[in-house]
Amino acid sequence: KAGVTQTPRYLIKTRGQQVTLSCSPISGHRSVSWYQQTPGQGLQFLFEYFSETQRNKGNFPGRFSGRQFSNSRSEMNVSTLELGDSALYLCASSRLAGGQSSYNEQFFGPGTRLTVL
Amino acid sequence: KQEVTQIPAALSVPEGENLVLNCSFTDSAIYNLQWFRQDPGKGLTSLLLIQSSQREQTSGRLNASLDKSSGRSTLYIAASQPGDSATYLCAVLYNQGGKLIFGQGTELSVKP
Repeated sequence: KAGVTQTPRYLIKTRGQQVTLSCSPISGHRSVSWYQQTPGQGLQFLFEYFSETQRNKGNFPGRFSGRQFSNSRSEMNVSTLELGDSALYLCASSRLAGGQSSYNEQFFGPGTRLTVL
Repeated sequence: KQEVTQIPAALSVPEGENLVLNCSFTDSAIYNLQWFRQDPGKGLTSLLLIQSSQREQTSGRLNASLDKSSGRSTLYIAASQPGDSATYLCAVLYNQGGKLIFGQGTELSVKP
């Protein structure tokens, strides 16, 4: 079974530009979450999508947005990039079916390394 | 405020040693707790998931325990190997909404 995939793996952008990151969850997984990882702040939750609806959102500015498609694939967009947006962006998927907490196990992709110059 | 803390931040041990990594959380009303491993520049690999109703989980040389009443979890690694060198992260899920709250991690180095 294929794992979570993220594209692209590396991105270099300049301040003010926008960027779109993509995440394909494990087949059958309906929940996709996004996290930002930086050396100073560690791993921080951005948002979570389930059945094309954003169910949960972290404390990030409105420049960070996302969406989920009917096949559960998700995209994350960051507009008006700032130097501080340089980070590893990780996507995670989980099955979330049947109400059993074991289905909440989250599986992470390899991440997209974003560098803002 | 829901916070997760991991101690120590870094640990260096000789190969073959048994070791314990610690994780504490401020709100005991957890849904589940996951331990992850992260190699430098890579994504996270799920090691063990402990549901809120469980006390421990085992996988190979790894054993994770959960004590909700005291807000603590430990990850026990038996007979450590150089390949175990990585950062170990503890994360708590408080509801079904996918929001994992992570500790800062313990960077483990196992010396041959």
